[in-house]
Order: sequence, then structure tokens, then C-alpha cells
Amino acid sequence: EIVMTQSPATLSVSPGESATLSCRASQSVSSNLAWYQQKPGQVPRLLMYGASTRATGIPARFTGSGSGTEFTLTISGLQSEDFAVYYCQQYNNWPPGTFGQGTKVEIK
Amino acid sequence: EVQLLESGGGLVQPGGSLRLSCAASGFTFRDYAMSWVRQAPGKGLEWVSGISADGASTYPAEYVRGRFTISRDNSKSTLYLQMNSLRAEDTAVYYCAKVAGTSCYREADYWGQGTLVTVSS
Repeated sequence: EIVMTQSPATLSVSPGESATLSCRASQSVSSNLAWYQQKPGQVPRLLMYGASTRATGIPARFTGSGSGTEFTLTISGLQSEDFAVYYCQQYNNWPPGTFGQGTKVEIK
Repeated sequence: EVQLLESGGGLVQPGGSLRLSCAASGFTFRDYAMSWVRQAPGKGLEWVSGISADGASTYPAEYVRGRFTISRDNSKSTLYLQMNSLRAEDTAVYYCAKVAGTSCYREADYWGQGTLVTVSS
């Protein structure tokens, strides 16, 4: 079974700065990777799919990159509403919905 | 507007059973795969199971195989999760999610509000 590993577990960033989140797969998932954002008490929201395609309504300050086993989510010019937990998910290999453990982006 | 409304959660004793439902609206239900994802209190997201658009293929996670069964009724636009032999570690909020294609090998583009399942004596 594929394992998704996110780093760091927690990222402390000041508003206006950039944040870089990493996600590594234990075997290649091609570009079949999604990113989700979850704010406290809220439902997860799709940010990115196909590793680099923004979902509907997601602002351009969110950028996804990578393929194979190494992926990155970059948030440029962090705004107050961006402080949340971010999860990556692969949907290339069985089982088709393996998540990483999450990265919490908190205010520095 | 896509809406997913889960129901059926609650308190159940270890070894007991529950059936979750997810009523879908705002899209052509029969054209999309669906999945269940859970989140234990204070923990991350965990895939539970998925089902193809036509219901012919299911994708249960290893830790629920043989205990949980996913199914769907396309005539009622409803997704189900039958959970048997429940354990304390199954305690979580269970989310219903729409998958962006006909098979489960796609992203989950819409999520329900979730239903809480608590397994405790």
C-alpha cells in the first residue's frame, strides 16, 4: 500500500510571506495528486488536482508542482484565511484515496 | 449547487452496527464515483471506501475490509456505508465525498458536512 508523507508537520509563517509544503509518495503516483485545505471546524476543500491544476475558485497564490514521488504546494503572500491544515492525497494507486498526515500552517 | 447530506451517525457499542446514508443533489449522481472519508477527533483524513459510478467496483481500505460495505442506489441518489463489528478506533466524523470522475481514481471535489460515529460502551 502506498504511503504519503507530508513535511513539515507544522509551518509557522507570517502573513504576507510564502509557505512551501511538501508531499512525498512511497512510489510513483504520476501526476495523480490532490491537495485539500481544512480550516478548524470546517469540511475539507479541494485546492488542487492533477498536481498543478487549481480547483474552481482557488486563487492564483496557490501553486502546485511535482510528479512521480515529490510534490510541492506553495502559497504566496499568505492571507489570514490561508492558515489551516493542508492534506495531499494520491489517487493513482490502490487504494485510490490515500492521504498524507497533513501540514498545519500557523501564524508566526 | 452540489449538496451532500450525511445521516445515520450516533453512539454505538463495540461490536455493533450502523448504516450511514448520504443524500446527494445538484448533480447527476449516477455519473460520478463516490467515497467515504473519516476523521478521528483531532486527527487527519483517512480514506474508508469508494464506489464507482455504476456501483460495479468498490475500493475498501484494508482496515475496514470485511467489516464495512459501501453501496449506492442511483435511483435515489443516495450513498450508503454499512458498518459492522465496530471498534473504538472507528470513532470519527464520516464524510461523504463526490469524486470527479466515474471511477475512484480521481480527486474528491465536493464534501458533505459529515456525521459523527462514536463507538463506546
